[in-house]
Amino acid sequence: DIQMTQSPSSLSASVGDRVTITCRASQSISRYLSWYQQKSGKAPKVLIYAASNLQSGVPSRFSGSGSGTDFTLTISSLQPEDFATYHCQQSYSTPWTFGQGTKVEIK
Amino acid sequence: QVQLQESGPGLVKPSETLSLTCTVSGGSISSYYWSWIRQPPGKTLEWIGYIYYTESTNYNPSLKSRVTISLDTSKTQFSLKLSSVTAADTAVYYCAYTKAPYGSGYYYMDVWGKGTTVTVSS
Repeated sequence: DIQMTQSPSSLSASVGDRVTITCRASQSISRYLSWYQQKSGKAPKVLIYAASNLQSGVPSRFSGSGSGTDFTLTISSLQPEDFATYHCQQSYSTPWTFGQGTKVEIK
Repeated sequence: QVQLQESGPGLVKPSETLSLTCTVSGGSISSYYWSWIRQPPGKTLEWIGYIYYTESTNYNPSLKSRVTISLDTSKTQFSLKLSSVTAADTAVYYCAYTKAPYGSGYYYMDVWGKGTTVTVSS
């Protein structure tokens, strides 16, 4: 199985901050990487697919980059509604696997 | 817009079979992939498997011996059965519409159900 490792596991940030979350795959996964946002008690919601493609309806302050083994999710200016847990997920090979999540909290 | 809703028992006894159904509305089930994912309390997401509209399946090897995913196009539903459950199967179970834009192979879970909590306990 391909292991996905996110860093940090949690972070505290203020509204307006630029936030960067990293996801590393245990082997090359090309660009087969998606990012999801999950608010407490809710289902995940896709933000980014194919490493850098913004899902329709997702604010442009979210962006994704990377290929191979190293990927980044960036929130350019953190908004109150962005406090949540973020997950990466690879679909390069089955079993599809998720990172352990990064919790973004209010500073 | 496709919407999904999970349903099924919230409590299952150890060694029994967990059975959940996902009802699809707002779209055809005769396309794309339909996935099940779960999230144990305080843990990350785990992909269980998917079924394609042709009824071909792909399961997580860690669960493969116990999992069956099936499709009922007449009812626009797909289902999950997980046999011989233990406390480790306690989780929130999600169904999801899975797609890859323009046949690109870049699969992602586009639409999720709200999730249903299943507790395994006697």
